[in-house]
Parts: sequence; C-alpha cells; structure tokens
Amino acid sequence: DADVTQTPRNRITKTGKRIMLECSQTKGHDRMYWYRQDPGLGLRLIYYSFDVKDINKGEISDGYSVSRQAQAKFSLSLESAIPNQTALYFCATSDRPGQIFFGPGTRLTVL
Amino acid sequence: DQQVKQNSPSLSVQEGRISILNCDYTNSMFDYFLWYKKYPAEGPTFLISISSIKDKNEDGRFTVFLNKSAKHLSLHIVPSQPGDSAVYFCAAHAFTGGGNKLTFGTGTQLKVEL
Repeated sequence: DADVTQTPRNRITKTGKRIMLECSQTKGHDRMYWYRQDPGLGLRLIYYSFDVKDINKGEISDGYSVSRQAQAKFSLSLESAIPNQTALYFCATSDRPGQIFFGPGTRLTVL
Repeated sequence: DQQVKQNSPSLSVQEGRISILNCDYTNSMFDYFLWYKKYPAEGPTFLISISSIKDKNEDGRFTVFLNKSAKHLSLHIVPSQPGDSAVYFCAAHAFTGGGNKLTFGTGTQLKVEL
C-alpha cells in the first residue's frame, strides 16, 4: 500500500467551482506539504504544516486554503477555481528537515 | 526570484555513457541539497543528497558534487541506463522563519537512448 495517497488522481472542473484535494499518509510523519508542478516552473510550495495545530503559507498560497484534520490528513481547497490553477498537485510528508516523500499527484484541470 | 536553477530543460544521453545534470543556487544559507527523480504519473522520489559541508556524495551509479564557491551542484549518473529516463529535480534546504523547507529547481528531462 502507498504511504502517501491522494484523491482524486484526476479532476476536471469549471471556473468558479469549489474543489477539495485530499491527502492521507500512513508514515506517521508530523510534517505535511502541498506543492504544485507547472511546466517550466518546477515544484512550488503552496502550504505546509508541521503538526495538527500548525499551518503555514508557502510561496504561492493565494487562492488556496488547507485543513489539517489529523496527523495523517491534510486537504487542499480551491474556493473558486480559475484556469491558471490547472496544474499537477502533490502532497508530501517528512519526519525531519530535508528529505520529503511525495504522493502520486492529482492532475487538476480548470476549464 | 528563482533561488534554485536548472538551466537545461532537457538532456539526451546514450546508454552506457555519463549523464551530468546541473543545478545552480543563489542562497548561501542553503545547508543541504537533494536530487529527486520523477517518472510520468508518479510523484517525485528521493535519489541522493549532500550536506553543504561536503563536496561529494556517492551512491552506486549516482554521484553528487557540490562546489560551494560557485554555488553549483551536479548529479552524475554512470553508466546511464534507459530506466534513468525521467525528470530530475534539484532541491535545496534552508531553515526559514517558519521552519525548514525545500526550494526546488525547474527540473531537467533526461532521456537515455539505446
């Protein structure tokens, strides 16, 4: 079984819709992250959380919100999706500074 | 401001030859560097890392070199194999006001040809 799972794996939605991407992990890590990947821009950090009561903005948090429902669950929401949020989204976890472990990704398309 | 740069978006190498992937950075506070490998439809996976106090780290066919004075690191793959074809991301770690985090480069698509 995968250590970091993401649902859905693919999603097509329309401009203005609210959408939630979910992430769960079985690694027992305290630290969880949301990244997005765009062609030519690499992986950019959206939000991160070092424990259930800790939420921090990353470099591109505008238009996104997160919820850390439990140590193992970290969800990303787009309150009103727009086309330039079309991207590949990755959840990740770590238990120490440095190495992080990524989920398989969610491909989101906003029409 | 791109603090971690991978200036080659793609690289093509013949099987058995050496692949050299390059990465430059601007922030002297980075204390740890990592390489991740990504196949299509999968998340990136950790490949190899190096501390800023070292200049070389080797793991099998993979070696990472760090030149702190030039703010440059490189990943060498010898010999290259078709299964190495993937996107490679360079990442740099630093402690910030909000804790530790990784900054990623834009990635290099490596293609190993038969």
